[in-house]
Amino acid sequence: AQSVTQLDSQVPVFEEAPVELRCNYSSSVSVYLFWYVQYPNQGLQLLLKYLSGSTLVKGINGFEAEFNKSQTSFHLRKPSVHISDTAEYFCAVGLINAGKSTFGDGTTLTVKP
Amino acid sequence: NAGVTQTPKFRILKIGQSMTLQCAQDMNHNYMYWYRQDPGMGLKLIYYSVGAGITDKGEVPNGYNVSRSTTEDFPLRLELAAPSQTSVYFCASRSTGGEATTGELFFGEGSRLTVL
Repeated sequence: AQSVTQLDSQVPVFEEAPVELRCNYSSSVSVYLFWYVQYPNQGLQLLLKYLSGSTLVKGINGFEAEFNKSQTSFHLRKPSVHISDTAEYFCAVGLINAGKSTFGDGTTLTVKP
Repeated sequence: NAGVTQTPKFRILKIGQSMTLQCAQDMNHNYMYWYRQDPGMGLKLIYYSVGAGITDKGEVPNGYNVSRSTTEDFPLRLELAAPSQTSVYFCASRSTGGEATTGELFFGEGSRLTVL
């Protein structure tokens, strides 16, 4: 079985500051890793994903994440946030050709002017 | 492409009423899912399907039923609505098989259900 822990439930940050949203996972087999973003009153959309290869992956809107196998982490980062980045962010793990994905409880990013 | 379409977007039910949340996808995805999202609780899997005629329970199936008669449609039925079922419901789908598979989920915009 897999599990996902998002270490921060809420992250307030000022505009143009850097941000890191932390995600740890546990799995007995290799997994794919994802970050999704949910803007207010909308569904989730993919921000970025790690399947294999380079451990640093880049996504939309200037976000990037680094896969660390030894620490079983997949932290999301952005060097300079905007007001429009205010949203809920979900880390998730999935297995290829398997039915279920597992989501963390989410991190609310609030960017203040 | 419309992607994943959910209806209705909003609904208020009285305790004990029944209703069906509709979900349709036009991406020819085999896998489909129903999640519920409660404040601060993330996404909990209710039911999922790996293809037409095949469904299985997720983490929180009690009080719900599903069917999958076609690849495109995956309705979720609430038989006797209870206040604990007040939530936002999301349908999702993903492709399977081959090198094109990435495991990415495609979500609908959600159905907000209130049971009073």
